[in-house]
Amino acid sequence: DGGITQSPKYLFRKEGQNVTLSCEQNLNHDAMYWYRQDPGQGLRLIYYSQIVNDFQKGDIAEGYSVSREKKESFPLTVTSAQKNPTAFYLCASSIELGFLYNEQFFGPGTRLTVL
Amino acid sequence: DQQVKQNSPSLSVQEGRISILNCDYTNSMFDYFLWYKKYPAEGPTFLISISSIKDKNEDGRFTVFLNKSAKHLSLHIVPSQPGDSAVYFCAASGGGADGLTFGKGTHLIIQP
Repeated sequence: DGGITQSPKYLFRKEGQNVTLSCEQNLNHDAMYWYRQDPGQGLRLIYYSQIVNDFQKGDIAEGYSVSREKKESFPLTVTSAQKNPTAFYLCASSIELGFLYNEQFFGPGTRLTVL
Repeated sequence: DQQVKQNSPSLSVQEGRISILNCDYTNSMFDYFLWYKKYPAEGPTFLISISSIKDKNEDGRFTVFLNKSAKHLSLHIVPSQPGDSAVYFCAASGGGADGLTFGKGTHLIIQP
């Protein structure tokens, strides 16, 4: 079964700790994305990567970091510099680079709670 | 500054009737628009899309209409079913593999 997996589903961390959220896809998609959703808000783009070893900041990148060492994986680190880290985090991917119109396919999400 | 706006936070429709969800955008560079459906604590699922060269796209019970001059699009669901109760997000793209810009969503409630 092809798809996007995010683990864990729920994550709790103490304030001041860095935490890494996992995202893996077996769809052979080039592009991957991280979004954040807060209550009553739409999804806001944190980072995206169009190809391995390359990534770009989205609208709200401050306090976050990413890596893209493999095509299948795009982990997101929420650092202690992120002022409001408690949120629902969604990973997505889309088909090949250069394709003009890309539907993005989403994983099930990780709810991060910082205590 | 919101570039994609869904002005109705919620909408209640009777089962079997038509549901119409609206979306407005301000960025004239957007040329591809998508609708996603989302249940609580799950990722959004893609429903239907439309490119700016078209004004209508249909897929089963779902139809999306695009009015470029008004920078407005709408999603029609006919007939509405109980399983359609969810939050619907409108999203827009300038093309390519950059990220999507999402509206805040409309919570659709289908009444029996």
